[in-house]
Amino acid sequence: AQSVAQPEDQVNVAEGNPLTVKCTYSVSGNPYLFWYVQYPNRGLQFLLKYITGDNLVKGSYGFEAEFNKSQTSFHLKKPSALVSDSALYFCAVRRSGGYNKLIFGAGTRLAVHP
Amino acid sequence: DTEVTQTPKHLVMGMTNKKSLKCEQHMGHRAMYWYKQKAKKPPELMFVYSYEKLSINESVPSRFSPECPNSSLLNLHLHALQPEDSALYLCASSQLTSGSLSYEQYFGPGTRLTVT
Repeated sequence: AQSVAQPEDQVNVAEGNPLTVKCTYSVSGNPYLFWYVQYPNRGLQFLLKYITGDNLVKGSYGFEAEFNKSQTSFHLKKPSALVSDSALYFCAVRRSGGYNKLIFGAGTRLAVHP
Repeated sequence: DTEVTQTPKHLVMGMTNKKSLKCEQHMGHRAMYWYKQKAKKPPELMFVYSYEKLSINESVPSRFSPECPNSSLLNLHLHALQPEDSALYLCASSQLTSGSLSYEQYFGPGTRLTVT
């Protein structure tokens, strides 16, 4: 069965410090992995995806993610956090069977403190 | 334009009412989705349309009735809802996935539904 785990409910970071939001996955076959961000009372915004190729994927707003096949992880990173990065972050994997169905992780709330 | 719009932003309805949620995109996407999201939880897929045809119904109760009148519009008709149906309803669209290609979904801002 395919699944995504985000082991941290909340991550607290000081502004200017690097941040990491963790994601691990379990899939059969090649993984198709995504990160989305959700601000309060808003829809999800796409940040980045890994389909194939370089293990380091760069995305929107200065975010990047590192795909690690041996550890089945796809952690989201940013070198210097901003207060405006505070939001709910979802990792997702595409389900098998077509139609681009996504399985979302439970979400991690990122709080960046001034 | 990477925008998906949804109306209304907020909706309060009684259990005997009939209402509709609307979603529109002009990105030429041929796949459209409805999700339900409870507070502090991930979105749950409800329906998938591809080429204006219903492709997936994730065992959603019949009081939710989707409709895709054309390639840009997606509706969700609501009837005889229950209080536990109160949630944020998100629409999304994407290019159609093909083989090893996988496309991100673009989400609308959602409709906050309250059933009284």
